[in-house]
Amino acid sequence: AQSVTQLGSHVSVSEGALVLLRCNYSSSVPPYLFWYVQYPNQGLQLLLKYTSAATLVKGINGFEAEFKKSETSFHLTKPSAHMSDAAEYFCAVSASGAAGNKLTFGGGTRVLVKP
Amino acid sequence: DTGVSQDPRHKITKRGQNVTFRCDPISEHNRLYWYRQTLGQGPEFLTYFQNEAQLEKSRLLSDRFSAERPKGSFSTLEIQRTEQGDSAMYLCASSLEGRSLGEQYFGPGTRLTVT
Repeated sequence: AQSVTQLGSHVSVSEGALVLLRCNYSSSVPPYLFWYVQYPNQGLQLLLKYTSAATLVKGINGFEAEFKKSETSFHLTKPSAHMSDAAEYFCAVSASGAAGNKLTFGGGTRVLVKP
Repeated sequence: DTGVSQDPRHKITKRGQNVTFRCDPISEHNRLYWYRQTLGQGPEFLTYFQNEAQLEKSRLLSDRFSAERPKGSFSTLEIQRTEQGDSAMYLCASSLEGRSLGEQYFGPGTRLTVT
């Protein structure tokens, strides 16, 4: 079974400041890890994914995440926040090799960007 | 590639009524997933299809819920005798088995309000 914990349901950052969103996972098998972004009244868009290749993963819109097996973490960062980054972000895990690859999501972190 | 589409985008219904939602996946994708997202929470897996076969159902999918994917193309999710607790965003996603290690593409969702 898999589970995901996102620390902090809300994060407020100033425009130009570092964005750091925390995600810890639990998985009984090697995981695949994902970060999705959701804008109001829209579906989810994939930002980046970890699938056992490089531990530092670069995604769209300047985001990146680092897989740390020893810490069971997959934190998302962006060096400089932009107003357009205001959205809700979800970390998700699926079990590598499992039939179906269903996703288990964390509770989400809403990002507010202050001018 | 026109993306995943869902219809309707919004549905308001009275308690006890039946509702049906439709999802059209990306045309070459053979896997289709349904998730439910309540306010302030991450999406939760409901069920998934590989082609026309429904291969897994969550315990969240009570007997009042039924999903179909005739001919392995579009899918419908029906809720019978709706309850207020069914109010949520219903998200559909699709993926191609063996491609991009399970990356799922999400539709915009159908927001259900049960009054």
